[in-house]
Amino acid sequence: QQQVKQSPQSLIVQKGGISIINCAYENTAFDYFPWYQQFPGKGPALLIAIRPDVSEKKEGRFTISFNKSAKQFSLHIMDSQPGDSATYFCAASHLFSGGYQKVTFGTGTKLQVIP
Amino acid sequence: DTEVTQTPKHLVMGMTNKKSLKCEQHMGHRAMYWYKQKAKKPPELMFVYSYEKLSINESVPSRFSPECPNSSLLNLHLHALQPEDSALYLCANPRGGLTPYEQYFGPGTRLTVT
Repeated sequence: QQQVKQSPQSLIVQKGGISIINCAYENTAFDYFPWYQQFPGKGPALLIAIRPDVSEKKEGRFTISFNKSAKQFSLHIMDSQPGDSATYFCAASHLFSGGYQKVTFGTGTKLQVIP
Repeated sequence: DTEVTQTPKHLVMGMTNKKSLKCEQHMGHRAMYWYKQKAKKPPELMFVYSYEKLSINESVPSRFSPECPNSSLLNLHLHALQPEDSALYLCANPRGGLTPYEQYFGPGTRLTVT
């Protein structure tokens, strides 16, 4: 059951441009929304994350926009660089009372930034 | 720098072999996770340990057997695997303290079953 939908599947952006990746979720029990960046042959790396009571979070060139009523969130990469070329996964997680969480990932977006 | 290490980095095994994957973490949190990632797919949760006890098993076949000897170590024992089990196996842990949500992944073990 796909609970987090991600688009687009692939994205090509020119250097200096803005990369935008969108995600939508269904389960209102999710209480944390991270984004992961993954380079080939490496494990996913936590990039930035947001809680549902916040509408926007910015860290450097990376910004998450969150729309709780629409159950949608997006990642904006400003001034995209060739080094940003990677696969990006949005995710949604739910924290259980035992102190562990269950993370549901989107299907991923392969970003290519061309010089 | 990674505070989650996994060994080996690569593993090739036959369908009749028994092998183990190892994960070691120094993140200070008591939850530990195993994921499986196929090529061009997102990570799929396999197991979750909390305080050394198995808390979630996502209906994983019994040929995968997890073990958590202590709060820093997580093993995944493999036996009689199938070629379709070839994948990147990832261990993950939250950082201790006030951020139980921030899950950090190890570099993974690339498993090939022949």
